[in-house]
Amino acid sequence: DTGVSQDPRHKITKRGQNVTFRCDPISEHNRLYWYRQTLGQGPEFLTYFQNEAQLEKSRLLSDRFSAERPKGSFSTLEIQRTEQGDSAMYLCASSGVFGSDTQYFGPGTRLTVL
Amino acid sequence: AQTVTQSQPEMSVQEAETVTLSCTYDTSESDYYLFWYKQPPSRQMILVIRQEAYKQQNATENRFSVNFQKAAKSFSLKISDSQLGDAAMYFCAYRSAFGNEKLTFGTGTRLTIIP
Repeated sequence: DTGVSQDPRHKITKRGQNVTFRCDPISEHNRLYWYRQTLGQGPEFLTYFQNEAQLEKSRLLSDRFSAERPKGSFSTLEIQRTEQGDSAMYLCASSGVFGSDTQYFGPGTRLTVL
Repeated sequence: AQTVTQSQPEMSVQEAETVTLSCTYDTSESDYYLFWYKQPPSRQMILVIRQEAYKQQNATENRFSVNFQKAAKSFSLKISDSQLGDAAMYFCAYRSAFGNEKLTFGTGTRLTIIP
């Protein structure tokens, strides 16, 4: 399967702990996106990378959130000092070289903060 | 900022019938892309259909077609011959053609197929 993969699929943590999620995009895609989806809502954009460069960050991405994409391959999203409001599905998507390319989504990581 | 509105939180349709899901958007841009994504329960989001704003012809993909009305900023999805596997959340999404890469999603429509 050459689709977008995410790990872990589920994460339960206690408030105040740090968590890190990983996304592996489709191999030939150079653009990678992170979105957050809360229950009953559509996904909201967090940030995106072209190769290893982080080109845009949403105001939703507070200082406790950081994303990296070393070497332009996989990406990690870290949340420090988690809060209950961080509970959500975190989705990763990737797209190809051209600006019109469709974004393909991974299965998501569901985060529950107790 | 662009906004996407889906005014139907839930819809239901009899199997083999046709259903139309509504989507409106607000933008000041002249060129953009519109998408319908499907998210089955506990499964990942998949693309159903896409439309480039500069194309007047409505996109079609097998049983799925759109009615794109650029002046009215309307982008509805028609599903013909509904099947049980069509049951899912459907999200309408907007993407600018001018460098801003993010997708802006609506709140979704939950589609139920009645056997």
